[in-house]
Amino acid sequence: AQSVTQPDIHITVSEGASLELRCNYSYGATPYLFWYVQSPGQGLQLLLKYFSGDTLVQGIKGFEAEFKRSQSSFNLRKPSVHWSDAAEYFCAVGGLTGGGNKLTFGTGTQLKVEL
Amino acid sequence: NAGVMQNPRHLVRRRGQEARLRCSPMKGHSHVYWYRQLPEEGLKFMVYLQKENIIDESGMPKERFSAEFPKEGPSILRIQQVVRGDSAAYFCASSPGLAGVGEQYFGPGTRLTVT
Repeated sequence: AQSVTQPDIHITVSEGASLELRCNYSYGATPYLFWYVQSPGQGLQLLLKYFSGDTLVQGIKGFEAEFKRSQSSFNLRKPSVHWSDAAEYFCAVGGLTGGGNKLTFGTGTQLKVEL
Repeated sequence: NAGVMQNPRHLVRRRGQEARLRCSPMKGHSHVYWYRQLPEEGLKFMVYLQKENIIDESGMPKERFSAEFPKEGPSILRIQQVVRGDSAAYFCASSPGLAGVGEQYFGPGTRLTVT
């Protein structure tokens, strides 16, 4: 069965500092990997996705993520955090199965940005 | 192109009543997924539908929950005889199909409160 682990429940960084959010996954085949962001009371917005090819993926809002198959990881990074990045971040794994492409989400990492 | 639409955004029901949640996918999308987010948790897959077909309902509770995606009109998630434990945010996502595999676009969610 597929699963996603986000080991950090809360992270606090100063504005302008770099950010790395960790994500480890378990999946029996080639995974499709995603990072979503959720602001309070809102839906989820896709930041970036990995299907195949280059293992360093660029997304919106200056985010990037690197797929490391040997470590089963897909960590999200940003070189300089802005106060507006404060939100909850979800890593998800999916893939083609007989029944479509349901996503399995991690429990999320709440990011707080200190000014 | 309008995004995924869900209504109502907030729904309050007393125990034992029925809750009906609606989801209109993005234009041109024929695949709909429903997810549930309990407080302080990530999203959990419930059901995957295509027009007039339930493809995967492995995440649906066995009783009281049902979903449909008719040929015309929105997808409906129906919860009969609601209980307090059904209080959660319910998100709908749509995708264009296998050609856009993995990329799901989320609606703003319906927040159900059972009193």
